[in-house]
Amino acid sequence: NAGVMQNPRHLVRRRGQEARLRCSPMKGHSHVYWYRQLPEEGLKFMVYLQKENIIDESGMPKERFSAEFPKEGPSILRIQQVVRGDSAAYFCASSPSGTGPSYEQYFGPGTRLTVT
Amino acid sequence: GESVGLHLPTLSVQEGDNSIINCAYSNSASDYFIWYKQESGKGPQFIIDIRSNMDKRQGQRVTVLLNKTVKHLSLQIAATQPGDSAVYFCAENSGGSNYKLTFGKGTLLTVNP
Repeated sequence: NAGVMQNPRHLVRRRGQEARLRCSPMKGHSHVYWYRQLPEEGLKFMVYLQKENIIDESGMPKERFSAEFPKEGPSILRIQQVVRGDSAAYFCASSPSGTGPSYEQYFGPGTRLTVT
Repeated sequence: GESVGLHLPTLSVQEGDNSIINCAYSNSASDYFIWYKQESGKGPQFIIDIRSNMDKRQGQRVTVLLNKTVKHLSLQIAATQPGDSAVYFCAENSGGSNYKLTFGKGTLLTVNP
């Protein structure tokens, strides 16, 4: 059973460009969570999604950031018009279906975004 | 890795020694806590968890202690090995949710052979 997969692992964008980060949850998992980790910081919750639904986006910046988890395909975290302060590691986690959202979250390897 | 930095609390131990990593949590309403290990370039990996109705829980080579009075959590690693070198984070549930985790800043553990 493959773990949570994220791609790309490293992404470099110039200021003003768009960044798209992808996350494929573990097989049998329908709950997806995105976290951001700034340098020398712990992870910060951003958003929790189920298939075709955003359940909790209380940690998402109000502008430029959006997330989706379509019926088919990976979850996408999208950052429009990136700024240097968006440089961070973005982690996706998933938890098993059938039991509701959970702390039993399995993390992917992360995408390191660098904005130049 | 990105979580390693000059300003992270650090702990350096000799191989075979016991390690104790401490964490102060912020929310007295938190009732679930997890320790994660993050190796360079990887995502956090679950180590052990504890609920607030307990003050101690043991796993394989690891023990978590919870002191709710002073909002303090510790992770003890017995017979530390070079493979234990990583950044360790404590996390607490937050906002009364059953999925949202709040992570601490982390401690860098270095094991010297």
